Amino acid sequence: EAEVAQSPRYKITEKSQAVAFWCDPISGHATLYWYRQILGQGPELLVQFQDESVVDDSQLPKDRFSAERLKGVDSTLKIQPAELGDSAMYLCASSLPGGVPRLDEQFFGPGTRLTVL
Amino acid sequence: SQKIEQNSEALNIQEGKTATLTCNYTNYSPAYLQWYRQDPGRGPVFLLLIRENEKEKRKERLKVTFDTTLKQSLFHITASQPADSATYLCALDDYGQNFVFGPGTRLSVLP
Repeated sequence: EAEVAQSPRYKITEKSQAVAFWCDPISGHATLYWYRQILGQGPELLVQFQDESVVDDSQLPKDRFSAERLKGVDSTLKIQPAELGDSAMYLCASSLPGGVPRLDEQFFGPGTRLTVL
Repeated sequence: SQKIEQNSEALNIQEGKTATLTCNYTNYSPAYLQWYRQDPGRGPVFLLLIRENEKEKRKERLKVTFDTTLKQSLFHITASQPADSATYLCALDDYGQNFVFGPGTRLSVLP
């Protein structure tokens, strides 16, 4: 069964350092999402790609966060510099082309647990 | 302000009973609602989607209702089993302006 892959699974860093997370969506899924989930809360959408284009990044803190999906397949989310408040689970999801509204079922990866010390 | 609320942080029920979880929203006009299941340390798994013009959706032991007048969706698990224990999240999309998850309800089904 096809799955969304993410790496690393766990990352510990010190504040002010740079971190990067990688996501490989299910083959054929044109839409890719990055979410942040703080413990005890629901996921918060950070950025949505349709192929290589950003569809929605309204909740992405652009002063320190960046995301790219250069060839419309895998994607990288970067934080620079990391802050204590960035400690969270970072989830990647993909779906078939659904555009907006986001009607299609989203398939989530296992996430990257980030701890900022 | 806009918000999504789920009825409680945690819900405990006895095996075999029906679990009912609530999702209420304020100041959104959702095109649809989705329900997901999330186990500890894992990503959410999609369960059901219900559109604004649908009253009810069923899938095996799961049932979702959507009342746009009450601004509420109810999620039911009938004949609950300990394996149903997880956190259940609702999410809505208001015609592309926002895609938002609720905080989740942690369900424990006791044997």
